[in-house]
Amino acid sequence: DTAVSQTPKYLVTQMGNDKSIKCEQNLGHDTMYWYKQDSKKFLKIMFSYNNKELIINETVPNRFSPKSPDKAHLNLHINSLELGDSAVYFCASSQGGRRRSGANVLTFGAGSRLTVL
Amino acid sequence: QQPVQSPQAVILREGEDAVINCSSSKALYSVHWYRQKHGEAPVFLMILLKGGEQKGHEKISASFNEKKQQSSLYLTASQLSYSGTYFCGTVINYGQNFVFGPGTRLSVLP
Repeated sequence: DTAVSQTPKYLVTQMGNDKSIKCEQNLGHDTMYWYKQDSKKFLKIMFSYNNKELIINETVPNRFSPKSPDKAHLNLHINSLELGDSAVYFCASSQGGRRRSGANVLTFGAGSRLTVL
Repeated sequence: QQPVQSPQAVILREGEDAVINCSSSKALYSVHWYRQKHGEAPVFLMILLKGGEQKGHEKISASFNEKKQQSSLYLTASQLSYSGTYFCGTVINYGQNFVFGPGTRLSVLP
């Protein structure tokens, strides 16, 4: 059983299109995250939800909109895709309360590689 | 504030040892270590919370200095399976964001 699963694994699309990436976790964790990993391997947090509530929203263009229908799911919708959006997007989850604990251990999904042409 | 990792990259032969360092200009609440193999997701290795703490197994262990500004990851008698990018992640204060370092690419050759 996959603990954190993301779909699709690969996404190739044209500039200007809209796309979504879905994430589900079956660990019973109450916090979920989206990370972006660029070509230089930098891992940067984009969003975090705790029990469907947005708790971290880093400086990310408004074209990116996360949605959490329940605490096991966190989706990422991207409008008007740009070349610079090409990256690997990782979903992650952790056990932890509403506050951003420094001891939360992240479990990552396998990643979704987005290529914008 | 992103922690600093050194070295950026290291190449080893099987059986050799390596040390990866992670440092911050401010005292930290915690340090986390993750390993990411090529084409895969990062995987948690360990977390250190206390100054002076050492933790881990014989082959992969980590320390956190007394001032809580530096952590080191020790890889002993490296194996091919150790190859990957090692990230430290730090939290400055409880309740603040967790920030990954830029990573250290480790290559173990036969």
